Amino acid sequence: LAKTTQPISMDSYEGQEVNITCSHNNIATNDYITWYQQFPSQGPRFIIQGYKTKVTNEVASLFIPADRKSSTLSLPRVSLSDTAVYYCLVGDKRSSYKLIFGSGTRLLVRP
Amino acid sequence: KAGVTQTPRYLIKTRGQQVTLSCSPISGHRSVSWYQQTPGQGLQFLFEYFSETQRNKGNFPGRFSGRQFSNSRSEMNVSTLELGDSALYLCASSTDRLNTGELFFGEGSRLTVL
Repeated sequence: LAKTTQPISMDSYEGQEVNITCSHNNIATNDYITWYQQFPSQGPRFIIQGYKTKVTNEVASLFIPADRKSSTLSLPRVSLSDTAVYYCLVGDKRSSYKLIFGSGTRLLVRP
Repeated sequence: KAGVTQTPRYLIKTRGQQVTLSCSPISGHRSVSWYQQTPGQGLQFLFEYFSETQRNKGNFPGRFSGRQFSNSRSEMNVSTLELGDSALYLCASSTDRLNTGELFFGEGSRLTVL
């Protein structure tokens, strides 16, 4: 499974757009990129998943360049409640796979 | 639709004891995975069950075991507890073998070993 690298922490302010980049140089052809959010003492929560180009849902956008060696999670207009740890994972969704969570990015949103 | 339910939420054990944790997946989900989360090691995959069969296993000693029942409910057991087993144990369920990549996690069982 491809290993991912993310910044350990990021700071932002309410109302700003936050972009968290994840590096996955060894991503395989069948791998998808998935992001999860985790609040303290809770299980991670699925945010978004993509394979290439851009994916958008009601909470975030995921940008994936053509070489797929990195991806960027974009959170528009963050609020205090977006303070959490964000994990980037890669894996083949067409067959069962174990998720390998990296250290994640600890996002702190300030008033 | 009810989410993933884990019991108990909190428990305290002493070294050498054993513990059983329970997980009820979302209705219709047949895959159940277990993860251990500690401040030092982060989130680590323990094992995954599908249709009562373990089909993936992480790098944990044999003291960690699990099983899945015909109704997809799962249990994990840790025997001969060690201090280092203190962690948040998370259960996650997903729909079927063609994994969409979206896992639904429970709130976890926080185990403290004294």
